Amino acid sequence: RKEVEQDPGPFNVPEGATVAFNCTYSNSASQSFFWYRQDCRKEPKLLMSVYSSGNEDGRFTAQLNRASQYISLLIRDSKLSDSATYLCVVRGLYSGGSNYKLTFGKGTLLTVNP
Amino acid sequence: DAGVTQSPTHLIKTRGQQVTLRCSPKSGHDTVSWYQQALGQGPQFIFQYYEEEERQRGNFPDRFSGHQFPNYSSELNVNALLLGDSALYLCASSGDRGVAYNEQFFGPGTRLTVL
Repeated sequence: RKEVEQDPGPFNVPEGATVAFNCTYSNSASQSFFWYRQDCRKEPKLLMSVYSSGNEDGRFTAQLNRASQYISLLIRDSKLSDSATYLCVVRGLYSGGSNYKLTFGKGTLLTVNP
Repeated sequence: DAGVTQSPTHLIKTRGQQVTLRCSPKSGHDTVSWYQQALGQGPQFIFQYYEEEERQRGNFPDRFSGHQFPNYSSELNVNALLLGDSALYLCASSGDRGVAYNEQFFGPGTRLTVL
């Protein structure tokens, strides 16, 4: 099983649509969870951290289910500017102590059409 | 406030050559991580430097080595280049305390092509 697995995509949606991204992770000891956004030929940028109780930032809602090892991102009322690749990211424990590395999923490409 | 900077932006090398990539962290950050991103894939962790030492390493061969300088800037060296080393190399910096510990800020990357 891959460490972090995402919907392969791509997703093509009209403006104003609601789109959901799903992600699963294999390490039950994972500590921190994030969604990053990466525009074409640019660097990844943090979109939001994901907390156990779920969290919302404007049109974006992130959920975490530790029992199922599942993370989601919901974008409501999608805009043209939301077009990008969305990366699910996990930081977890490893033998020997703290784990500083981020483990990325492959990413899901979203295109929002006018 | 300058963000993470990397040089060069693009590089073309041939198989067997060696390459050095450079990174300056965001102001106030002391930790530098390097990632390799192949086309169509997510970034993969190479290693992280803190206090001029390699603190953690991913599943990359010894051909990949690095260094961190007292001013926190860092270099990534790749020896005996292979075609498969062609990728975008990303540097990320972070602070080692509090909230800043979790967020890694990425530089624009160096695109390496090996012919």
